[in-house]
Amino acid sequence: NAGVTQTPKFQVLKTGQSMTLQCAQDMNHEYMSWYRQDPGMGLRLIHYSVGAGITDQGEVPNGYNVSRSTTEDFPLRLLSAAPSQTSVYFCASRLTLVTDTQYFGPGTRLTVL
Amino acid sequence: DAKTTQPPSMDCAEGRAANLPCNHSTISGNEYVYWYRQIHSQGPQYIIHGLKNNETNEMASLIITEDRKSSTLILPHATLRDTAVYYCIVRDSGSARQLTFGSGTQLTVLP
Repeated sequence: NAGVTQTPKFQVLKTGQSMTLQCAQDMNHEYMSWYRQDPGMGLRLIHYSVGAGITDQGEVPNGYNVSRSTTEDFPLRLLSAAPSQTSVYFCASRLTLVTDTQYFGPGTRLTVL
Repeated sequence: DAKTTQPPSMDCAEGRAANLPCNHSTISGNEYVYWYRQIHSQGPQYIIHGLKNNETNEMASLIITEDRKSSTLILPHATLRDTAVYYCIVRDSGSARQLTFGSGTQLTVLP
């Protein structure tokens, strides 16, 4: 299994541009989520999904959209990038919403100029 | 979820045991203690979790005090590759609530 994969690893955007961060898992996990991590801080939950077709907001959802059309994929869209969205983004999955062990992807480092 | 308190940083000599403390004085009876770590620039990695009994796996041991208000993660023979930020998280097992990551403890293993 490849586990949780994320693309791209690095991205630079200009203010106002939009883009999609990709996340995929091959473990048939129902639950997937997106976190952001700012320098020197812990992770904050952006959005999560408990299964295909079901998404919900986390702690810091503003400026981000998600969709879950398949079990494997959970892309994160930045609608109009702002410098405040400069961060490292991690995608994670676990078997179900109530499973204990969560697996994280390698992260996408995003800079918004 | 109960709040946790961890020291911001610790050092440990290579080959020695690393003991990372965590206070969770407001923990409730059905909340578990989880430990994750994050090696620089990588995604967090699950280490271990427990309710009230001590737990051990291939990575670490978890010691929870009898009153459950604090716990210690033990890496028995720390290596340079164990240098990371270690997060102590308290959460209901089986709960729909998300993992909440605080600031963690930066463990530096010294050669």
